[in-house]
Parts: sequence; C-alpha cells; structure tokens
Amino acid sequence: DAGVIQSPRHEVTEMGQEVTLRCKPISGHNSLFWYRQTMMRGLELLIYFNNNVPIDDSGMPEDRFSAKMPNASFSTLKIQPSEPRDSAVYFCASRPSSGGNTGELFFGEGSRLTVL
Amino acid sequence: SQQGEEDPQALSIQEGENATMNCSYKTSINNLQWYRQNSGRGLVHLILIRSNEREKHSGRLRVTLDTSKKSSSLLITASRAADTASYFCAPEGGTSYGKLTFGQGTILTVHP
Repeated sequence: DAGVIQSPRHEVTEMGQEVTLRCKPISGHNSLFWYRQTMMRGLELLIYFNNNVPIDDSGMPEDRFSAKMPNASFSTLKIQPSEPRDSAVYFCASRPSSGGNTGELFFGEGSRLTVL
Repeated sequence: SQQGEEDPQALSIQEGENATMNCSYKTSINNLQWYRQNSGRGLVHLILIRSNEREKHSGRLRVTLDTSKKSSSLLITASRAADTASYFCAPEGGTSYGKLTFGQGTILTVHP
C-alpha cells in the first residue's frame, strides 16, 4: 500500500486566498484525522472522522476552516480565507477502527502551508 | 481531552548511551502509544501498550506503563545517531476514546 497520501506537499499562497488540502487514507481504514503542527502550538488535532462522519471538530480553530470526507478514500481540509497565522504543516492520518478496537495511526508526509 | 505530557522537553546524549523519556496523563486509559517524528516527516508509530500491560519490548525499545501513577516511559537502549528525532506519547481512553492527541514531545539528539 502507498500509505496515506497528502497533496500538495508544499503550498505558498497570499493572505485571503482559499487553500484546499487533500488526503487519501490507506484503503480499508475507516478513521481519518487532520492535525496541524507549528513550533508554537505543537501538534494539534483539528478534526477526526469515523466512517466518513465527523466525530469531533472541536479543534477546528474557527469558521474559516472546514473539512469534508465525501467518501472513504478522500478527505479535504479547506481554509477560506487564509491568514498568515495559518502557516503550518498539516498532517492527515488514518487507521482501521473496528468497534472499540483502535490502534496505531498512519501519518502522511504532511502539507506545508505558507500564507504570505 | 486526554493528552500526554512528555518529559524532558529535550534530551541530548552520546551514541551508545540509553535514552529515557517519560509521559504523564490525567485520566484512565485503554492504551498508550509512542510515536517518533523525524525532522520534516510525518509521525511513525513505535509501540502500543495496553492498560493491562506493564512492560513491552520492541527491538531496542522498552516501554513501561504504570496506571496507578498515570505515567509511561520509553527507553531506547544503545542509541544511534539515527534515533535523533522527536518522540510523542498518545494516551487513549475514557470519554475521548477514539480521539488521539499529542503533547509537545521530547526532542532527542544523539551525537555520534
């Protein structure tokens, strides 16, 4: 398996522009997580899905952020409009989750976002 | 939400020495996981220890869990320069079961 695939790997944009980050989880994994990592705040959980349904979005910083999972093999994280303080590395991770049996997370390589 | 706190924040050792990192958490857990992150990369899972286990080994890694003290430790024996990375713990359980959050991690530097 190719692992969790994120795109783009790097994005530089200007303040006010819309940013869309994409994630393809590992086939068969039904839990998907979005994280944001900065030096100041560390690794923050933004939102996670089980079976394509958002379970907890309490980490989404504000209304400018939205995440969707239209099917089991694709998720997007959108920022509109973007601001310089959104600059960070955004990670997607997935894992299989069957009933109460959870386990290790598999991370993508991240999308490095710079908002000028 | 359940989140581990790693200690120390940074650790610098010589190759061949052992490295010990600690993790504390606040509420009951089902399991606790350790991850490594190399610079500029995604996190990689190292080991998972369940609440009914006290110790677990994987190669040069040894993890202990003390649920009475709500703490865990990760020991890397005979460290190598390639072990240089950030290490994170992720306790899972209680009302936040299924939700995995991370602390600031321990930055380990192994000098050749």
